[in-house]
Amino acid sequence: DADVTQTPRNRITKTGKRIMLECSQTKGHDRMYWYRQDPGLGLRLIYYSFDVKDINKGEISDGYSVSRQAQAKFSLSLESAIPNQTALYFCATSKTGSPGANVLTFGAGSRLTVL
Amino acid sequence: AQSVSQHNHHVILSEAASLELGCNYSYGGTVNLFWYVQYPGQHLQLLLKYFSGDPLVKGIKGFEAEFIKSKFSFNLRKPSVQWSDTAEYFCAATGTSYDKVIFGPGTSLSVIP
Repeated sequence: DADVTQTPRNRITKTGKRIMLECSQTKGHDRMYWYRQDPGLGLRLIYYSFDVKDINKGEISDGYSVSRQAQAKFSLSLESAIPNQTALYFCATSKTGSPGANVLTFGAGSRLTVL
Repeated sequence: AQSVSQHNHHVILSEAASLELGCNYSYGGTVNLFWYVQYPGQHLQLLLKYFSGDPLVKGIKGFEAEFIKSKFSFNLRKPSVQWSDTAEYFCAATGTSYDKVIFGPGTSLSVIP
């Protein structure tokens, strides 16, 4: 089984719909992140969480929200999806403590298409 | 503002050619540097990392990178590429352990058999 599992892997939806992408991990890591990948732009950080009660905005949080339901679960929501949110979304985890705090373990990605 | 740039958007090489992918970062103070690789259809994997010490770091699959502080660079190298190295390569950086990780835009490498 994968250490970081994302669901769904692929989703096609329509403008205005609410979408939730889910991420769960068995790594025992306390830090979790959501990134989106767009061609030519690399990975951009949407939200991150260093523990269950900690939520932080990243570079491009507008239009997104997150929920850290447990240490192992971190969900990303698009309240009202729009076409420019079409992208590949990655969940990642890391563990507090030098030197590994910023070594990320990624999930397989969730490809979202908004029509 | 903190940022990471990569010199090339797309690189095409023949097998056995040498590879160097450029990465520059803009960070004040302590910096931790990474190279991640994304093979076609797969998730990102850590290729190598630099935290401190020897500026020449070795990673998996024969890759290495050199941290040159005076040039704010962390270039990735491999002496002889293989077709299986075809992938997208991302340079990333962070400051302290409580900073977020910033990624560069990526370089797509195509290796021709």
